[in-house]
Amino acid sequence: DIQMTQSPASLSASLEEIVTITCKASQDIDDYLSWYQQKSGKSPQLLIYDATSLADGVPSRFSGSRSGTQYSLKISRPQVDDSGIYYCLQTYSSPFTFGSGTKLEIK
Amino acid sequence: QVQLTESGPGLVHPSETLSLTCTVSGFSLTGYSVYWVRQPSGKGLEWMGRMRYNGDTSYNLALKSRLSISRDTSKNQVFLNMNSLQADDTGTYYCTRDWTGLDYWGQGVMVTVSS
Repeated sequence: DIQMTQSPASLSASLEEIVTITCKASQDIDDYLSWYQQKSGKSPQLLIYDATSLADGVPSRFSGSRSGTQYSLKISRPQVDDSGIYYCLQTYSSPFTFGSGTKLEIK
Repeated sequence: QVQLTESGPGLVHPSETLSLTCTVSGFSLTGYSVYWVRQPSGKGLEWMGRMRYNGDTSYNLALKSRLSISRDTSKNQVFLNMNSLQADDTGTYYCTRDWTGLDYWGQGVMVTVSS
């Protein structure tokens, strides 16, 4: 299985910061990487697909990037509503695997 | 519009079989793949398996011996069956559509394994 190592496990940020969450794949996944936001008691929502493409309706303050086998989700000037848990998912090779999640609090 | 709705029993006894149904609308199962994802209470997301648009299936290796995914395209339904349930199978089970990422999700169904 491909392992996705996600970090940090949790973070707290202010409205003026840039938030970065990373997922490192245990092997090349050729940009088959998506990011999801989950709020308490709700289903996950797609933010980014194919590593860098913004999903429909997602604010432009969210962006995705890649460096080697490390993928990053960046939130520029986050809003309070961006608080939640964020997950990455690799769909390069079955069985597909999620990262362990990052709990984000925006103060 | 696109919708996915999970249904099934909220309570399953240990060692019994879980049967869930994902009923979809707004798209065809022969054009899109559907995944099952679960989430133990207070924990992260786990990919369980998928029904591809062409009828092929693939599974999480840790669950493969217990898990079966099937479909009825005429009823727009995807089924999950998992046997030998234990307490650590308790959680919320989601079905979700794969297109450019997992773009639509059901609301989830909470399953408790308890005697």
